[in-house]
Amino acid sequence: NAGVTQTPKFQVLKTGQSMTLQCAQDMNHEYMSWYRQDPGMGLRLIHYSVGAGITDQGEVPNGYNVSRSTTEDFPLRLLSAAPSQTSVYFCASSYSGLSNTGELFFGEGSRLTVL
Amino acid sequence: AQSVAQPEDQVNVAEGNPLTVKCTYSVSGNPYLFWYVQYPNRGLQFLLKYITGDNLVKGSYGFEAEFNKSQTSFHLKKPSALVSDSALYFCAVRVEYSSASKIIFGSGTRLSIRP
Repeated sequence: NAGVTQTPKFQVLKTGQSMTLQCAQDMNHEYMSWYRQDPGMGLRLIHYSVGAGITDQGEVPNGYNVSRSTTEDFPLRLLSAAPSQTSVYFCASSYSGLSNTGELFFGEGSRLTVL
Repeated sequence: AQSVAQPEDQVNVAEGNPLTVKCTYSVSGNPYLFWYVQYPNRGLQFLLKYITGDNLVKGSYGFEAEFNKSQTSFHLKKPSALVSDSALYFCAVRVEYSSASKIIFGSGTRLSIRP
């Protein structure tokens, strides 16, 4: 059972570089989201999607872009990396879509360091 | 503002003793509340949720949580702690926005169980 798969697990970037964090789920979940986890701040929502073709901003969207062309995939793009984006990123999905009463299923995380 | 708070950064408990991890929330409408656990270098795992009904909710690994509407709290409890319960615990709440609902997380509480 694959669940939610994130790649890469680790990445080091230089300031100004761009990259994409990949997220794929095989559970046919409508809802997908990206969080970042920083010490003492818990998880903060970056972007989310309630279905293919629909995305919206979370609490900390600046510096990140997302798209949702298929139900399975929800990539997170960093346009011009900054040291403040050094964090652990988690992708999570849920079957509930707009109502979102279901639990989230998390990937293993992607640790990003921006020098 | 809609939010969820975990007032304790760390909780220390002796093995075999009862444990409580606190959570309070502020949302409009009926709250949908969740607890998640994170083990080192892993993604979050769902423990339990409150949607409606009984104020005492039972979840995985012997955990339960008590919903208290008047105190706007959703504390996580376990009657007898195990060393293996040591982990980072997150409370989460569904918040409603115009386009969809989102799940937001508290800052996390590190639970340490000493033998």
